[in-house]
Amino acid sequence: QQQVKQSPQSLIVQKGGISIINCAYENTAFDYFPWYQQFPGKGPALLIAIRPDVSEKKEGRFTISFNKSAKQFSLHIMDSQPGDSATYFCAPYLNTGFQKLVFGTGTRLLVSP
Amino acid sequence: DSGVTQTPKHLITATGQRVTLRCSPRSGDLSVYWYQQSLDQGLQFLIQYYNGEERAKGNILERFSAQQFPDLHSELNLSSLELGDSALYFCASSVSGQPTNEKLFFGSGTQLSVL
Repeated sequence: QQQVKQSPQSLIVQKGGISIINCAYENTAFDYFPWYQQFPGKGPALLIAIRPDVSEKKEGRFTISFNKSAKQFSLHIMDSQPGDSATYFCAPYLNTGFQKLVFGTGTRLLVSP
Repeated sequence: DSGVTQTPKHLITATGQRVTLRCSPRSGDLSVYWYQQSLDQGLQFLIQYYNGEERAKGNILERFSAQQFPDLHSELNLSSLELGDSALYFCASSVSGQPTNEKLFFGSGTQLSVL
């Protein structure tokens, strides 16, 4: 069973601030590092993902930073908006055959107006 | 809209009963995943099917079973229900079943309440 730990469990950020969510993993063979976003009453949706051959990927206000040596990757939300209020899950994955996609424990983000 | 359809949206039943949750994947997706989401356990992987065959198994209870039919829709059967089975059950689908280069699309879930 792959171990995936997210931090913090919950986060409150002022509008316009930077939200940072971290994910620590144990399996060094993981080769795909996605973040999923879930709004209340909805299923999770892929937000952004990174492969281990790059250290950073940016899509709009969302950035993934990957630290292979520390076995961590993080999600940065710049200029956080109230519409970003959601629960965020990391789900590092090993692309070998059919593997379980295991989600982190989740981080509940609240962006205050 | 993810294109993944789950029915019913809500289900209220009593302990000891049996229920069936249904999932229709996105058109063209061959793989279906089932997840259970509760406040204390987070998002737990139950089982994955690919083109009718079971491919990966998580912490699925023996009281639970699933199958994927030739038309690729899937059903999750929950029997001898207990209070602790109350949760949000999600179905997700993907094209090939190996979500490294593709998205996993989730339905809106079935909220199961066991009274």
